[in-house]
Amino acid sequence: DIQMTQSPSAMSASVGDRVTITCRASQGINKYLVWFQQKPGKGPKRLIYASSTLQSGVPSRFSGSGSGTEFTLTISSLQPEDFATYYCLQHNNYPWTFGQGTKVEIK
Amino acid sequence: EVQLVESGGGLVKPGESLRLSCEASGFPFSTYNMNWVRQSPSKGLESVAFISTSGDSIHYADSVKGRFTISRDNAKNSLYLQMNSLRAEDTAMYYCARDCMTTVTPYDLWGLGTLVTVSS
Repeated sequence: DIQMTQSPSAMSASVGDRVTITCRASQGINKYLVWFQQKPGKGPKRLIYASSTLQSGVPSRFSGSGSGTEFTLTISSLQPEDFATYYCLQHNNYPWTFGQGTKVEIK
Repeated sequence: EVQLVESGGGLVKPGESLRLSCEASGFPFSTYNMNWVRQSPSKGLESVAFISTSGDSIHYADSVKGRFTISRDNAKNSLYLQMNSLRAEDTAMYYCARDCMTTVTPYDLWGLGTLVTVSS
């Protein structure tokens, strides 16, 4: 199975900060990478697919980049509603596998 | 409203069975591939099972192969997961998730989940 490693596991940030989360794959996955946001008590919400395509309805402060084995999710100006846990998912090889998550907390 | 609603979770003993259901509404269920994904504090998010629109293509995670069965009833807009020989490590929140067929990408819609606890 392909291993997905996210960094950092957790971070503290302030409203207005630029936040970058990294996801590394144990082997190349082209651009078959999805980013999710999850808030307590809810199912994950898809933010970005195909590494960099924004899901309809998702604010433009979210962006994604990367291909092969290294990917990033960037929030250009953190808003109060963005405090949550973020996950990456690869779907290049079955079984699809997730990163372990990055919790973004209020500083 | 476009939504997925899971049900059927509960507390069971090791070795027992449970059947989860997911009812879809607000979209043409029969035209979407569907999945079960689970989440636990120890293992995080894990893809459990996949089923194509007609049910002719099915995949399972190795951890559940031979014990779990995914199925669907397109006439009832419903997805199911039959879970047999349950183990403590199957304890998790179980989510129903839809694939996006236009972009051929996974998990564009999720339910709120149903909690399965396996404990003696």
